[in-house]
Amino acid sequence: QSALTQPASVSGSPGQSITISCIGTSSDIGSYNLVSWYQQQPGKAPKLMIYEVNKRPSGVSNRFSGSKSGNTASLTISGLQAKDEADYYCCSSAGSSIFAVFGGGTKLSVL
Amino acid sequence: EVQVLESGGGLVQPGGSLRLSCAASGFTFSNYGMSWVRQAPGKGLEWVSVISYSGHMTYYSDSVKGRFTISRDNSENTLSLQMNSLRAEDTAIYYCAKLTPPGTRAFDIWGQGTMVTVSS
Repeated sequence: QSALTQPASVSGSPGQSITISCIGTSSDIGSYNLVSWYQQQPGKAPKLMIYEVNKRPSGVSNRFSGSKSGNTASLTISGLQAKDEADYYCCSSAGSSIFAVFGGGTKLSVL
Repeated sequence: EVQVLESGGGLVQPGGSLRLSCAASGFTFSNYGMSWVRQAPGKGLEWVSVISYSGHMTYYSDSVKGRFTISRDNSENTLSLQMNSLRAEDTAIYYCAKLTPPGTRAFDIWGQGTMVTVSS
């Protein structure tokens, strides 16, 4: 199972909005509404930001939103803040035996 | 506080074995599936294995299938990963992660990870 495809890096200025794409296939993102997104600060464990494409866990800011179209999922962060600077990973189910496949990660820089 | 705490990492020679443990607290452990996710130094996340809430169902990534075994003890609130025939490419931080409610396939609680280094 190949990893999902994410851009290596994205950047934005404080207050702006950015979108991170996550490209899969008809076997993973295209077949399941089970896309999740994780934020990882340097030296820290990942943190769940979005699950089931567009649902936010309790405590996650509504500046974070998710969507999906076909084989591509997206994470949008609005009102960028310096604290949003981190690595972001998408993840999708890919069938009953391939429980999860991650993207390669995207480094977000807030300039 | 809901948390999971990994232990058991260390340095092991190629071909060797290691057993990781994960102690869970703050939630009803027996109600949730659990998983292991790893991250090689400077690399991205890689799903390793998952076990159902009861322990009856287990799944593995192709990269570890036949070498790693996931298990759980619901009476002790612990998750384990037995790693055999270790290779250099298994070097990584291993995270224990709690699954969100059944059907959602997301990882909502993560430990701080335990480092496994496979080297001679």
